[in-house]
Amino acid sequence: AQSVTQLGSHVSVSEGALVLLRCNYSSSVPPYLFWYVQYPNQGLQLLLKYTTGATLVKGINGFEAEFKKSETSFHLTKPSAHMSDAAEYFCAALGDYKLSFGAGTTVTVRA
Amino acid sequence: NAGVTQTPKFQVLKTGQSMTLQCAQDMNHNSMYWYRQDPGMGLRLIYYSASEGTTDKGEVPNGYNVSRLNKREFSLRLESAAPSQTSVYFCASRFNRETGELFFGEGSRLTVL
Repeated sequence: AQSVTQLGSHVSVSEGALVLLRCNYSSSVPPYLFWYVQYPNQGLQLLLKYTTGATLVKGINGFEAEFKKSETSFHLTKPSAHMSDAAEYFCAALGDYKLSFGAGTTVTVRA
Repeated sequence: NAGVTQTPKFQVLKTGQSMTLQCAQDMNHNSMYWYRQDPGMGLRLIYYSASEGTTDKGEVPNGYNVSRLNKREFSLRLESAAPSQTSVYFCASRFNRETGELFFGEGSRLTVL
């Protein structure tokens, strides 16, 4: 079964600064990986996903993530934070029809 | 398209009461899922249905039952609610191809007193 670890439950950044959210997975084979975003009182929305091919994946709202097999990582970045990026972010891995989620990272953006 | 629709959005129960959360999807997806979300724990899988007619336990199935009524609908039942089941419940669905992502409903907030 997949296991997903998100490092840091809370991240605070200044508007315009780099956003970096860390995710590591444990698996004997490369999984399919996802980042979801959840705004307050809403469901989860897909930001991006890695399946096969290019290891740098671009998603919505200027986010991107890089799959690094050697580090079993799938970190999410955005070069310049916007106030609207304040939300909770979840990394997830797919295996056996099931999606396993990390505990989530809450991002706050300071003006 | 409505996507994934959950009802009710809010519910307050007393300990021992029963209730059913309803979920329907209009995307012709094969698989459907029920997750619960608790602070600091991410989303944990309760039950899932990989195809119509099948259901399987996830990480935290105790105290819950499910029914895959047809391809569109997947319900979650609490037979005797407990305060530990206070949570936000999410239904999701996806195609069964390997790379298919989950599509989520907006959630059902359940409080058990």
